[in-house]
Amino acid sequence: DAEITQSPRHKITETGRQVTLACHQTWNHNNMFWYRQDLGHGLRLIHYSYGVQDTNKGEVSDGYSVSRSNTEDLPLTLESAASSQTSVYFCASSDGLDPNTGELFFGEGSRLTVL
Amino acid sequence: GQNIDQPTEMTATEGAIVQINCTYQTSGFNGLFWYQQHAGEAPTFLSYNVLDGLEEKGRFSSFLSRSKGYSYLLLKELQMKDSASYLCAVLDSNYQLIWGAGTKLIIKP
Repeated sequence: DAEITQSPRHKITETGRQVTLACHQTWNHNNMFWYRQDLGHGLRLIHYSYGVQDTNKGEVSDGYSVSRSNTEDLPLTLESAASSQTSVYFCASSDGLDPNTGELFFGEGSRLTVL
Repeated sequence: GQNIDQPTEMTATEGAIVQINCTYQTSGFNGLFWYQQHAGEAPTFLSYNVLDGLEEKGRFSSFLSRSKGYSYLLLKELQMKDSASYLCAVLDSNYQLIWGAGTKLIIKP
């Protein structure tokens, strides 16, 4: 069965360290997204990609970067982790001609704690 | 600014019916989604409305009124497994999804 997997599922790091969260999907979807979810807030878009070599900034992109070298993977990198980046991170993918009306398939989430 | 409002928490009884409301103010509208999210898990798709009216899918129904900026999710014959958060999201004029903070639904026996 096709799926979308994230790793690590849990990570504790220190302020200033570089952290990379992996996202791998076997749906063969062109569209991939990274969100963060914090208590009291809706899901907030960090970065997204509509295909290989395409990346775009979302509403909360500061301090984060992504790269898309193949269809399956969209790793999210925190260049210098800050305590404000403690959150649960979700990767998602979608199919369809219109990348934004298709159903989103989410990974199980990565809980990141920055001390 | 863009805003999605949902109640923070609701409680209902097993076997009953519950309606979760969502009001939105966004720059344009290209559809509204409902997702279900169990605690500690990923959100999963429930419904998508782009036209006014009621869409029924088994025990779940979703209603949209674009003129009122309003939607609701109706859950019938509630089961304990329906205890979850329900997320409302609107696709704005730039085809960006704007998410509400979610409604935590607690089902009591």
